[in-house]
Amino acid sequence: SQQGEEDPQALSIQEGENATMNCSYKTSINNLQWYRQNSGRGLVHLILIRSNEREKHSGRLRVTLDTSKKSSSLLITASRAADTASYFCATDTGFQKLVFGTGTRLLVSP
Amino acid sequence: DSGVTQTPKHLITATGQRVTLRCSPRSGDLSVYWYQQSLDQGLQFLIQYYNGEERAKGNILERFSAQQFPDLHSELNLSSLELGDSALYFCASSEWDREELSGYTFGSGTRLTVV
Repeated sequence: SQQGEEDPQALSIQEGENATMNCSYKTSINNLQWYRQNSGRGLVHLILIRSNEREKHSGRLRVTLDTSKKSSSLLITASRAADTASYFCATDTGFQKLVFGTGTRLLVSP
Repeated sequence: DSGVTQTPKHLITATGQRVTLRCSPRSGDLSVYWYQQSLDQGLQFLIQYYNGEERAKGNILERFSAQQFPDLHSELNLSSLELGDSALYFCASSEWDREELSGYTFGSGTRLTVV
């Protein structure tokens, strides 16, 4: 079963634009993580935000977490064609067993 | 190269057969996780091992089994294969027993096709 639901399912933007993806989850969490997956490849860890944090930055990535609403967002600023991939949120509800969301497919056109 | 090695990369087999997928975790990681990714089910957690012991079980079918060996590599055994078992199978590893939480490191996956 999926813990997280990403929204939108797919997003198409131009290079240089910002991309925002949202994730909602159902149960309380220890932390929430975002991963990127290029087509058919393994997932790559992008960023982790703890349940007591509200915002975190890493390069062009900004993640927010609202535990009262059980939601998170991932913002990619100044998108590049190389950012084209699927993005997944994953929730750690204990023992670092991650439950992944359904993913957002991002297409960045030159 | 993520440091997590999965073999084989591709596997094509017939229904009813049995296969073994292999995973070597990143050096220093004690936890190994197996996930199945299919178009209709998304990424499903199957099972977790920590230092040789089973820690958590997810949506793993009874036809599937796994183990982690003393050298920390892990194997996922899939038997009586059905067409619906066709999927990407990922192994991931992490350092678990640490104060600082960290993300998973994923292997590149094994693409299983059952014909």
